Amino acid sequence: DTEVTQTPKHLVMGMTNKKSLKCEQHMGHRAMYWYKQKAKKPPELMFVYSYEKLSINESVPSRFSPECPNSSLLNLHLHALQPEDSALYLCASSQVRQGAKGGKAFFGQGTRLTVV
Amino acid sequence: SQQGEEDPQALSIQEGENATMNCSYKTSINNLQWYRQNSGRGLVHLILIRSNEREKHSGRLRVTLDTSKKSSSLLITASRAADTASYFCATDAGAGKSTFGDGTTLTVKP
Repeated sequence: DTEVTQTPKHLVMGMTNKKSLKCEQHMGHRAMYWYKQKAKKPPELMFVYSYEKLSINESVPSRFSPECPNSSLLNLHLHALQPEDSALYLCASSQVRQGAKGGKAFFGQGTRLTVV
Repeated sequence: SQQGEEDPQALSIQEGENATMNCSYKTSINNLQWYRQNSGRGLVHLILIRSNEREKHSGRLRVTLDTSKKSSSLLITASRAADTASYFCATDAGAGKSTFGDGTTLTVKP
């Protein structure tokens, strides 16, 4: 199984709502990532989990709250988002990177989020 | 800000022609990867080249890396309509994260 599964595929939420994005992989990867991608732009790293611990937070606003309950699951909790947070949210996983050996990441198909 | 810059931003070719995309970056890297993204979907890993490698092949793909110029190129030979997508380079400078370039949008006309 070389898939990263993200749910839901599409999400529309109001600015006062609370919602969660989910990501699951069964490749035994111990590094998992959240990226945000605006239209016609490259993915921007938000968070990195390594061995289920948050290792990188790219100065993401606190209205985005990541969670890694176990080695296969990654969540992104959303609260009080703004319309400018509308984007494609991508989850990825990989082996924990060790110098030149690491790097290959497997991406999910993303959640298309619209904040109204 | 993104480390990588890619050119061209957009490329349109006929089926059967070769497509070349370039990527430049600013800092030392452990490796560089190329990904493909079909419209609005997830990214697919194409090829990884390590900092001590100069060239790598995978099927119709050929990647070169020049660490002295901090640049890489991706060549797709004998292109097909199914190659139509956005192509991104991503640099791994350590600390467990990759930084994506701005991408090249490739259109292959049948």
